[in-house]
Amino acid sequence: SAVISQKPSRDICQRGTSLTIQCQVDSQVTMMFWYRQQPGQSLTLIATANQGSEATYESGFVIDKFPISRPNLTFSTLTVSNMSPEDSSIYLCSVELGGYEQYFGPGTRLTVT
Amino acid sequence: EDQVTQSPEALRLQEGESSSLNCSYTVSGLRGLFWYRQDPGKGPEFLFTLYSAGEEKEKERLKATLTKKESFLHITAPKPEDSATYLCAVQAGSGGFKTIFGAGTRLFVKA
Repeated sequence: SAVISQKPSRDICQRGTSLTIQCQVDSQVTMMFWYRQQPGQSLTLIATANQGSEATYESGFVIDKFPISRPNLTFSTLTVSNMSPEDSSIYLCSVELGGYEQYFGPGTRLTVT
Repeated sequence: EDQVTQSPEALRLQEGESSSLNCSYTVSGLRGLFWYRQDPGKGPEFLFTLYSAGEEKEKERLKATLTKKESFLHITAPKPEDSATYLCAVQAGSGGFKTIFGAGTRLFVKA
Protein backbone atom coordinates (compact mmCIF):
# COMPACT_ATOMS: atom_id res chain seq x y z
CA SER A 1 0.00 0.00 0.00
CA ALA A 2 0.97 3.69 0.07
CA VAL A 3 0.62 6.53 2.54
CA ILE A 4 -0.89 9.59 0.93
CA SER A 5 -1.32 13.05 2.44
CA GLN A 6 -3.25 16.03 1.14
CA LYS A 7 -3.07 19.71 1.98
CA PRO A 8 -5.18 21.52 2.95
CA SER A 9 -7.61 19.14 4.64
CA ARG A 10 -10.37 21.72 4.26
CA ASP A 11 -10.86 25.29 3.15
CA ILE A 12 -13.56 27.89 2.72
CA CYS A 13 -13.01 30.13 -0.29
CA GLN A 14 -14.68 33.08 -1.93
CA ARG A 15 -16.16 32.68 -5.38
CA GLY A 16 -13.86 33.79 -8.18
CA THR A 17 -10.69 32.79 -6.34
CA SER A 18 -8.46 29.73 -6.87
CA LEU A 19 -7.23 27.00 -4.54
CA THR A 20 -4.30 24.66 -5.05
CA ILE A 21 -4.49 21.23 -3.42
CA GLN A 22 -1.31 19.27 -2.79
CA CYS A 23 -0.94 15.49 -2.80
CA GLN A 24 2.18 13.80 -1.41
CA VAL A 25 2.92 10.07 -1.59
CA ASP A 26 5.46 8.20 0.53
CA SER A 27 6.80 6.18 -2.42
CA GLN A 28 7.43 6.72 -6.12
CA VAL A 29 4.38 6.01 -8.26
CA THR A 30 3.71 6.44 -11.94
CA MET A 31 -0.04 6.85 -11.99
CA MET A 32 -1.86 9.43 -9.89
CA PHE A 33 -5.49 10.43 -10.14
CA TRP A 34 -7.68 13.29 -9.01
CA TYR A 35 -11.34 12.71 -8.13
CA ARG A 36 -14.23 14.85 -7.03
CA GLN A 37 -16.87 13.59 -4.61
CA GLN A 38 -19.90 15.82 -4.25
CA PRO A 39 -22.00 15.55 -1.08
CA GLY A 40 -23.72 12.18 -0.81
CA GLN A 41 -22.41 11.03 -4.16
CA SER A 42 -19.76 8.70 -5.47
CA LEU A 43 -16.39 9.51 -6.97
CA THR A 44 -15.98 11.19 -10.34
CA LEU A 45 -12.59 11.09 -12.03
CA ILE A 46 -11.29 14.54 -12.97
CA ALA A 47 -7.98 13.59 -14.56
CA THR A 48 -5.09 11.16 -14.64
CA ALA A 49 -1.68 12.66 -13.91
CA ASN A 50 1.33 10.62 -14.98
CA GLN A 51 4.78 11.99 -14.36
CA GLY A 52 6.48 13.21 -17.50
CA SER A 53 3.33 13.75 -19.53
CA GLU A 54 0.39 16.12 -19.69
CA ALA A 55 -2.60 15.25 -17.52
CA THR A 56 -5.48 13.49 -19.24
CA TYR A 57 -8.85 15.03 -18.43
CA GLU A 58 -12.21 13.30 -18.36
CA SER A 59 -15.24 14.57 -20.20
CA GLY A 60 -16.65 17.63 -18.48
CA PHE A 61 -13.35 18.71 -16.95
CA VAL A 62 -10.92 21.12 -18.65
CA ILE A 63 -7.38 22.17 -17.99
CA ASP A 64 -8.21 25.87 -17.66
CA LYS A 65 -10.54 25.11 -14.76
CA PHE A 66 -8.52 22.30 -13.13
CA PRO A 67 -4.82 22.70 -13.98
CA ILE A 68 -2.68 19.85 -12.68
CA SER A 69 1.05 19.63 -12.09
CA ARG A 70 3.07 16.44 -11.63
CA PRO A 71 6.69 17.53 -11.13
CA ASN A 72 7.99 14.19 -9.80
CA LEU A 73 6.97 10.65 -8.87
CA THR A 74 5.79 11.51 -5.33
CA PHE A 75 3.91 14.79 -5.70
CA SER A 76 1.04 16.40 -7.59
CA THR A 77 -1.15 19.48 -7.33
CA LEU A 78 -4.67 20.22 -8.49
CA THR A 79 -5.84 23.81 -8.79
CA VAL A 80 -9.52 24.68 -8.76
CA SER A 81 -9.71 27.97 -10.64
CA ASN A 82 -12.27 30.77 -10.68
CA MET A 83 -14.35 28.91 -8.13
CA SER A 84 -18.13 28.96 -7.87
CA PRO A 85 -20.39 27.39 -5.24
CA GLU A 86 -20.88 24.42 -7.59
CA ASP A 87 -17.21 23.55 -7.01
CA SER A 88 -17.95 22.83 -3.34
CA SER A 89 -16.93 19.22 -2.98
CA ILE A 90 -14.37 16.80 -1.58
CA TYR A 91 -11.30 16.48 -3.79
CA LEU A 92 -9.33 13.24 -3.53
CA CYS A 93 -6.04 12.14 -4.97
CA SER A 94 -5.16 8.49 -5.44
CA VAL A 95 -2.35 6.33 -6.72
CA GLU A 96 -2.39 3.02 -8.53
CA LEU A 97 0.10 0.36 -7.52
CA GLY A 98 0.82 -2.92 -9.25
CA GLY A 99 -2.54 -4.66 -8.78
CA TYR A 100 -4.78 -2.03 -10.45
CA GLU A 101 -6.36 -1.02 -7.14
CA GLN A 102 -6.04 2.57 -6.04
CA TYR A 103 -5.09 4.01 -2.68
CA PHE A 104 -6.61 7.30 -1.67
CA GLY A 105 -5.58 10.32 0.30
CA PRO A 106 -7.77 11.67 3.10
CA GLY A 107 -9.38 14.28 0.83
CA THR A 108 -9.71 18.06 0.79
CA ARG A 109 -13.13 19.43 1.71
CA LEU A 110 -13.74 22.63 -0.24
CA THR A 111 -16.58 25.04 0.44
CA VAL A 112 -17.08 27.99 -1.91
CA THR A 113 -19.16 30.90 -0.66
CA GLU B 1 -21.30 2.03 -21.86
CA ASP B 2 -19.50 0.72 -18.79
CA GLN B 3 -21.70 0.84 -15.69
CA VAL B 4 -21.59 -0.08 -12.03
CA THR B 5 -24.80 -0.30 -9.96
CA GLN B 6 -24.88 -0.95 -6.22
CA SER B 7 -27.83 -2.04 -4.14
CA PRO B 8 -29.33 -1.34 -1.76
CA GLU B 9 -28.58 2.37 -1.40
CA ALA B 10 -28.77 2.02 2.37
CA LEU B 11 -28.94 -0.97 4.70
CA ARG B 12 -29.76 -0.99 8.38
CA LEU B 13 -28.79 -4.06 10.40
CA GLN B 14 -28.83 -5.10 13.99
CA GLU B 15 -25.50 -6.15 15.44
CA GLY B 16 -24.93 -9.80 14.52
CA GLU B 17 -27.43 -9.77 11.64
CA SER B 18 -25.57 -11.01 8.56
CA SER B 19 -26.39 -9.65 5.10
CA SER B 20 -24.99 -8.98 1.63
CA LEU B 21 -24.35 -5.93 -0.53
CA ASN B 22 -24.67 -6.22 -4.30
CA CYS B 23 -22.62 -4.70 -7.11
CA SER B 24 -23.72 -5.39 -10.68
CA TYR B 25 -21.56 -4.30 -13.57
CA THR B 26 -21.47 -4.12 -17.34
CA VAL B 27 -18.00 -3.54 -18.74
CA SER B 28 -15.96 -4.59 -21.72
CA GLY B 29 -13.02 -6.67 -20.62
CA LEU B 30 -12.94 -6.62 -16.82
CA ARG B 31 -9.43 -6.10 -15.46
CA GLY B 32 -10.48 -5.99 -11.83
CA LEU B 33 -13.36 -5.33 -9.44
CA PHE B 34 -12.61 -3.48 -6.22
CA TRP B 35 -14.35 -2.97 -2.91
CA TYR B 36 -13.65 0.04 -0.73
CA ARG B 37 -14.88 1.23 2.64
CA GLN B 38 -15.40 4.94 3.20
CA ASP B 39 -16.01 6.52 6.58
CA PRO B 40 -17.55 10.01 6.77
CA GLY B 41 -15.03 12.75 6.02
CA LYS B 42 -12.31 10.31 4.93
CA GLY B 43 -10.94 8.91 1.71
CA PRO B 44 -11.92 5.42 0.55
CA GLU B 45 -10.00 2.56 2.15
CA PHE B 46 -9.11 -0.34 -0.12
CA LEU B 47 -10.56 -3.72 0.90
CA PHE B 48 -10.39 -6.26 -1.94
CA THR B 49 -9.55 -6.83 -5.58
CA LEU B 50 -11.28 -9.62 -7.53
CA TYR B 51 -9.98 -10.48 -10.99
CA SER B 52 -12.10 -13.33 -12.36
CA ALA B 53 -15.46 -15.06 -11.91
CA GLY B 54 -15.46 -17.55 -9.07
CA GLU B 55 -12.83 -15.71 -7.07
CA GLU B 56 -13.43 -15.02 -3.37
CA LYS B 57 -11.54 -12.90 -0.83
CA GLU B 58 -12.04 -12.64 2.93
CA LYS B 59 -11.02 -10.19 5.60
CA GLU B 60 -12.36 -10.46 9.14
CA ARG B 61 -16.18 -10.29 8.88
CA LEU B 62 -16.16 -9.42 5.16
CA LYS B 63 -16.18 -11.79 2.21
CA ALA B 64 -16.26 -10.65 -1.42
CA THR B 65 -17.33 -12.88 -4.30
CA LEU B 66 -17.43 -12.35 -8.06
CA THR B 67 -19.50 -13.71 -10.94
CA LYS B 68 -19.50 -12.62 -14.58
CA LYS B 69 -22.18 -10.01 -13.92
CA GLU B 70 -22.02 -9.07 -10.25
CA SER B 71 -20.13 -9.10 -7.00
CA PHE B 72 -21.37 -9.54 -3.46
CA LEU B 73 -19.89 -8.25 -0.24
CA HIS B 74 -21.08 -10.55 2.52
CA ILE B 75 -20.95 -9.20 6.06
CA THR B 76 -21.09 -11.86 8.75
CA ALA B 77 -22.20 -10.94 12.29
CA PRO B 78 -21.59 -7.22 11.77
CA LYS B 79 -20.59 -4.86 14.56
CA PRO B 80 -21.37 -1.15 14.93
CA GLU B 81 -17.83 -0.32 13.79
CA ASP B 82 -18.65 -1.85 10.40
CA SER B 83 -20.98 1.10 9.78
CA ALA B 84 -19.66 2.94 6.70
CA THR B 85 -20.28 3.44 3.01
CA TYR B 86 -19.07 0.53 0.89
CA LEU B 87 -18.03 1.39 -2.65
CA CYS B 88 -17.66 -0.99 -5.56
CA ALA B 89 -15.51 -0.07 -8.56
CA VAL B 90 -14.43 -1.75 -11.77
CA GLN B 91 -11.56 -1.23 -14.12
CA ALA B 92 -12.25 -2.23 -17.70
CA GLY B 93 -9.92 -3.07 -20.51
CA SER B 94 -11.63 -0.52 -22.74
CA GLY B 95 -11.65 3.23 -22.19
CA GLY B 96 -8.00 3.50 -21.27
CA PHE B 97 -8.27 1.40 -18.10
CA LYS B 98 -10.42 3.93 -16.32
CA THR B 99 -11.82 2.95 -12.91
CA ILE B 100 -15.58 3.46 -12.56
CA PHE B 101 -17.16 3.74 -9.11
CA GLY B 102 -20.65 2.80 -8.06
CA ALA B 103 -22.78 5.09 -5.93
CA GLY B 104 -22.14 3.05 -2.79
CA THR B 105 -24.19 1.33 -0.10
CA ARG B 106 -24.48 3.10 3.25
CA LEU B 107 -24.42 0.48 6.00
CA PHE B 108 -25.71 1.22 9.49
CA VAL B 109 -25.19 -1.39 12.21
CA LYS B 110 -27.06 -0.81 15.44
CA ALA B 111 -25.87 -2.26 18.75
